[in-house]
Amino acid sequence: GQQVMQIPQYQHVQEGEDFTTYCNSSTTLSNIQWYKQRPGGHPVFLIQLVKSGEVKKQKRLTFQFGEAKKNSSLHITATQTTDVGTYFCAGIDYKLSFGAGTTVTVRA
Amino acid sequence: DVKVTQSSRYLVKRTGEKVFLECVQDMDHENMFWYRQDPGLGLRLIYFSYDVKMKEKGDIPEGYSVSREKKERFSLILESASTNQTSMYLCASRTGTISSYEQYFGPGTRLTVT
Repeated sequence: GQQVMQIPQYQHVQEGEDFTTYCNSSTTLSNIQWYKQRPGGHPVFLIQLVKSGEVKKQKRLTFQFGEAKKNSSLHITATQTTDVGTYFCAGIDYKLSFGAGTTVTVRA
Repeated sequence: DVKVTQSSRYLVKRTGEKVFLECVQDMDHENMFWYRQDPGLGLRLIYFSYDVKMKEKGDIPEGYSVSREKKERFSLILESASTNQTSMYLCASRTGTISSYEQYFGPGTRLTVT
């Protein structure tokens, strides 16, 4: 069945630096979604990507869907303390399958 | 705003007890989901429902059952709780419109089975 792998599992970032988290699927996806879970909170929807090669931006966050629709990435520029949390990708073929998440900590 | 509520934030039960976790959403969503979240494993789908009285197994249904008697309410049942069911349980809902797969999550129930 569909598997969604996410790397890295942990990302320790100096405030102001950039980082990227990656999501890879074993199958071609129809859509991919990204969620953010703050410490002690629940996952909150960030964005959905649908088209091959699609790139979307939300302020300092850039989301990309691969050409083959089997991978995606989230790039954060100029990391801030408010970016702390776990970022999940979720791939859709006939159901939504979540990756294990990338947990981000920020050094001030 | 969509609101998904869960009956308890924290729950402690003994091995062998029957456990009910309740989830209610107020947006008339057709689809509802139960996940468990464990460190390093992400969110794993237990069961989902796309309509009243309908249910489908997810990736890890063993040891669980569900009930959906009303559209707004989706219950997760642990027939005989075991220690390996200690976890964070998250309920989610979404509209049935195929163009929108955004899921709205409840606050979660942290269940400890001793």
